[in-house]
Amino acid sequence: DTEVTQTPKHLVMGMTNKKSLKCEQHMGHRAMYWYKQKAKKPPELMFVYSYEKLSINESVPSRFSPECPNSSLLNLHLHALQPEDSALYLCASSQLRRGSGEKTGNTIYFGEGSWLTVV
Amino acid sequence: EDQVTQSPEALRLQEGESSSLNCSYTVSGLRGLFWYRQDPGKGPEFLFTLYSAGEEKEKERLKATLTKKESFLHITAPKPEDSATYLCAVQAVMGGSYIPTFGRGTSLIVHP
Repeated sequence: DTEVTQTPKHLVMGMTNKKSLKCEQHMGHRAMYWYKQKAKKPPELMFVYSYEKLSINESVPSRFSPECPNSSLLNLHLHALQPEDSALYLCASSQLRRGSGEKTGNTIYFGEGSWLTVV
Repeated sequence: EDQVTQSPEALRLQEGESSSLNCSYTVSGLRGLFWYRQDPGKGPEFLFTLYSAGEEKEKERLKATLTKKESFLHITAPKPEDSATYLCAVQAVMGGSYIPTFGRGTSLIVHP
């Protein structure tokens, strides 16, 4: 089973709202990711969690706040967003291998995404 | 800097008309090349991982191959349900983790 589950599938929020996107995986993966994807563009990395700790933040504005409560769950808290933040938000997970001695990377499995519209 | 270039940007085929999608890359130490299929409004669906030049993988009408500089996704006798955007990604090391760098994708439309 290579399933990453995201909720909600669609979200409409005002610029003063606070909302959260949720992601869950039960594959035992210890790396989890948030990506943002605009129409006709490739996924753009936002955050990476390794062993439930934030390891990469790609200079994402503070109005996006990630949280990893445990090894299966990943949240993205949204506050004071702008209309240009409207996009498909993708959660992903993978096994975690670290160190230059590793010859191969790890397949990243994506969820179906959460469509966010900021009005 | 790692780069991934996919061509063509868009491809229209008739049902049954075989073709190939290209992914050329430059990376310092390949840790894997990945192909994904993405349907409109959905997350990328994993297709293949290739690790070394000469490696090939097949799945139904799709076959992925890898050289030291590029990968091809061959589509044999495509059907309309193969219509999607195909993304290629190479994996690089960032902050101790393996992070994929995506190409811009090839949008494939197969007409019945």
